[in-house]
Amino acid sequence: GAVVSQHPSRVICKSGTSVKIECRSLDFQATTMFWYRQFPKQSLMLMATSNEGSKATYEQGVEKDKFLINHASLTLSTLTVTSAHPEDSSFYICSARIRQGNTEAFFGQGTRLTVV
Amino acid sequence: RKEVEQDPGPFNVPEGATVAFNCTYSNSASQSFFWYRQDCRKEPKLLMSVYSSGNEDGRFTAQLNRASQYISLLIRDSKLSDSATYLCVVNKPGYSTLTFGKGTMLLVSP
Repeated sequence: GAVVSQHPSRVICKSGTSVKIECRSLDFQATTMFWYRQFPKQSLMLMATSNEGSKATYEQGVEKDKFLINHASLTLSTLTVTSAHPEDSSFYICSARIRQGNTEAFFGQGTRLTVV
Repeated sequence: RKEVEQDPGPFNVPEGATVAFNCTYSNSASQSFFWYRQDCRKEPKLLMSVYSSGNEDGRFTAQLNRASQYISLLIRDSKLSDSATYLCVVNKPGYSTLTFGKGTMLLVSP
């Protein structure tokens, strides 16, 4: 299957700093990537849809100025958590679908962010 | 009604047992349905797609009932390695996104 690589897998940062998470599609081009967040024992919640060459579409309740998304190429999308706070500690996962329609989503390995 | 709703867990079963998970979805226009498996602290991985006619993959059988907006996953002859959280996933009509259920945790014990 297609491969989506996410980096870093784990990060600990101080409150107030920013953290960048990268998501790469290794063997296919992804015009659209998705960013999810998962708190312990909760479901994956879609944060935003990242579109190559255009602005991301954010879900209701997700602050676009806090979670900056850049999708500068067909194989790379980045999520930057700005001015991180302890409540931002979570498991962030990206995914991509090879094409629109009824196809499975491939997920990155996830990034466990801990803000201290 | 939640977009995707699953049985609450966890399900604790002995090895060799048969276990069934249920899932309901709210949007009748949904067209794509999946079961994903997520191990603790890992990313979700596709277990199987769910087709209208029902489909089977080894010990796993998925069924779809469009009239009732209901999806099921049956696991036969449970193995210890089946212990994980099973996510019911449905596409969001008109969008390229997927909606995930909260997941049902399965614990298979010796």
